[in-house]
Amino acid sequence: QSILTQSPSASGTPGQRVTISCSGSSSNIGTNYVYWYHQLPGTAPKLLIYKNNQRPSGVPDRFSGSKSGTSASLVISGLRSEDEGDYFCAAWDDSLNSPLLFGGGTKVTVL
Amino acid sequence: QVQLVESGGGVVQPGRSLRLSCEASGVTFSNYGMHWVRQAPGKGLEWVAVIWYDGSNKYYGESVKGRFTISRDNSMNTLYLQMKSLKTDDTAVYYCAMSDSSGFYPETWGQGTLVTVSS
Repeated sequence: QSILTQSPSASGTPGQRVTISCSGSSSNIGTNYVYWYHQLPGTAPKLLIYKNNQRPSGVPDRFSGSKSGTSASLVISGLRSEDEGDYFCAAWDDSLNSPLLFGGGTKVTVL
Repeated sequence: QVQLVESGGGVVQPGRSLRLSCEASGVTFSNYGMHWVRQAPGKGLEWVAVIWYDGSNKYYGESVKGRFTISRDNSMNTLYLQMKSLKTDDTAVYYCAMSDSSGFYPETWGQGTLVTVSS
């Protein structure tokens, strides 16, 4: 069971808004940046959001990230079929022996 | 364009050892920290280890501490993961990933190499 908690699944129709949450604690999300990754089946993860709310070059602006306290959210505005896949949050942890934590992942389905 | 290519995966018996490699190109390898992250079949991502750009610091995930060793050869643009006392639970696709400018988080990922621990 992951220390960063994500809901296992989310879904929406094309064009809808989908929100994925990531819950942690004061030693990880509460203190450090949150990153988000997107993974299509059979492929490597791809960085989607860095430093809580920054998009790497090439990531569409329909993806946005935010953080408040010990939780973070990823919003997909205007869902598209290619947005299907697994989404993982990540945060450095100041207290544990495993410094970098990943959430358990959220599977997004486009209906 | 940054490219990371892992190699060294395969089938190995429990208790044996294996060394993975990750060769980088298209980037000044010695400027970046490097991670290993693994993914068991049908499961999520599990962080394994990180090494600083100059090799001065290394950190490990709890499940591999004492069994796995991360290292790098900046003259060869290559990252390594030496795995010992392998267990069936170590079966996974192993990805190497280059850190972003913060040094703490993976940014660019390789395609992964599959390690299967089975008798």
